[in-house]
Amino acid sequence: DTEVTQTPKHLVMGMTNKKSLKCEQHMGHRAMYWYKQKAKKPPELMFVYSYEKLSINESVPSRFSPECPNSSLLNLHLHALQPEDSALYLCASSQGAGDKNIQYFGAGTRLSVL
Amino acid sequence: LAKTTQPISMDSYEGQEVNITCSHNNIATNDYITWYQQFPSQGPRFIIQGYKTKVTNEVASLFIPADRKSSTLSLPRVSLSDTAVYYCLVSNRDDKIIFGKGTRLHILP
Repeated sequence: DTEVTQTPKHLVMGMTNKKSLKCEQHMGHRAMYWYKQKAKKPPELMFVYSYEKLSINESVPSRFSPECPNSSLLNLHLHALQPEDSALYLCASSQGAGDKNIQYFGAGTRLSVL
Repeated sequence: LAKTTQPISMDSYEGQEVNITCSHNNIATNDYITWYQQFPSQGPRFIIQGYKTKVTNEVASLFIPADRKSSTLSLPRVSLSDTAVYYCLVSNRDDKIIFGKGTRLHILP
């Protein structure tokens, strides 16, 4: 099973709302990732968690707040977003140590900020 | 991580073999070459990974010359469902990978 599950599939929110994106994997992977993808652009790395600790933050604005409650779950908390934050948000996981960093992606959450 | 360069777009016909070449001149000794496929509104899907020479799986083949400064993804007998964006990237045991611009492959009937 190489499935990464993301919920919700679609999300519409206002600029004053608070919402959360969720990601789950049951492959025993030790690393989990958040990416942002705009239309016709490649995915851009936002955050990396390794062994449930934040290891990489690609200078993402604080209105995006990641959380890793346990080794299977990854959340992205959203607050006071801007319309330009509308994008496809992708979660991925990889096995980690000794692996060649093959990442398995979820189907993404399509976010629209009004 | 080494930067990758690949054609922006390619067209081919059903039943043909498609070869997409990627350049990675600054590849490091411990870097692997990895290819992903992405359909619209879906996450990228791992296709194949290699270090040197040739790797083949049920989906594709990956050819890597001895200097490892380029690689070629080969898709045999493509169908309409192979229309997608294909990303070449280098990765190692570190967590970070960087997607290049990818190649938009359009398969025609």
